Amino acid sequence: EDQVTQSPEALRLQEGESSSLNCSYTVSGLRGLFWYRQDPGKGPEFLFTLYSAGEEKEKERLKATLTKKESFLHITAPKPEDSATYLCAVQASNFNKFYFGSGTKLNVKP
Amino acid sequence: EAQVTQNPRYLITVTGKKLTVTCSQNMNHEYMSWYRQDPGLGLRQIYYSMNVEVTDKGDVPEGYKVSRKEKRNFPLILESPSPNQTSLYFCASSLRGTSTDTQYFGPGTRLTVL
Repeated sequence: EDQVTQSPEALRLQEGESSSLNCSYTVSGLRGLFWYRQDPGKGPEFLFTLYSAGEEKEKERLKATLTKKESFLHITAPKPEDSATYLCAVQASNFNKFYFGSGTKLNVKP
Repeated sequence: EAQVTQNPRYLITVTGKKLTVTCSQNMNHEYMSWYRQDPGLGLRQIYYSMNVEVTDKGDVPEGYKVSRKEKRNFPLILESPSPNQTSLYFCASSLRGTSTDTQYFGPGTRLTVL
């Protein structure tokens, strides 16, 4: 069964304190792994797509990496405006469905 | 402005009273989808549509119906809502639904069924 598990559920960081969010997945043939950011009261906003193990993508203070079983979202020197819920999702090769994790709620204190 | 719109944004209703949540996109996208978001469960896909008149079940389709008569619209229908359908609903669209296409989400509809 295709599934996605994210950890931790919540993370509190001080401004400038780097950390990583984890996304473990089980999928029958990975088409793509996606990271989204969701602010309170809004829909998810696309960040990255990763396609194969070893791939990395960066955007400002965020860097996403992918292995055969998990993905990490590394946050370097975070700022309070990085506070949000970060969602991970996968698309399997056999279907046009998307499977999401339950998210990591990040709170960055000034 | 490229966007996905949903209406209504908030809805309180009673058990058994049929309702429709509308979704519209202005990006000429072929792929559209509905999700529900519940605490601790994340986003779960209800239905998706690859194009006009082509729809398929997601992971949690029970109690929901959809139709895709026009490319831009993808309404979600609850014919007999029950309290367990109280949730935050999101509509999304992408060009063709492939992994290389960015999925754009609407602002969400918060539904309460009493």
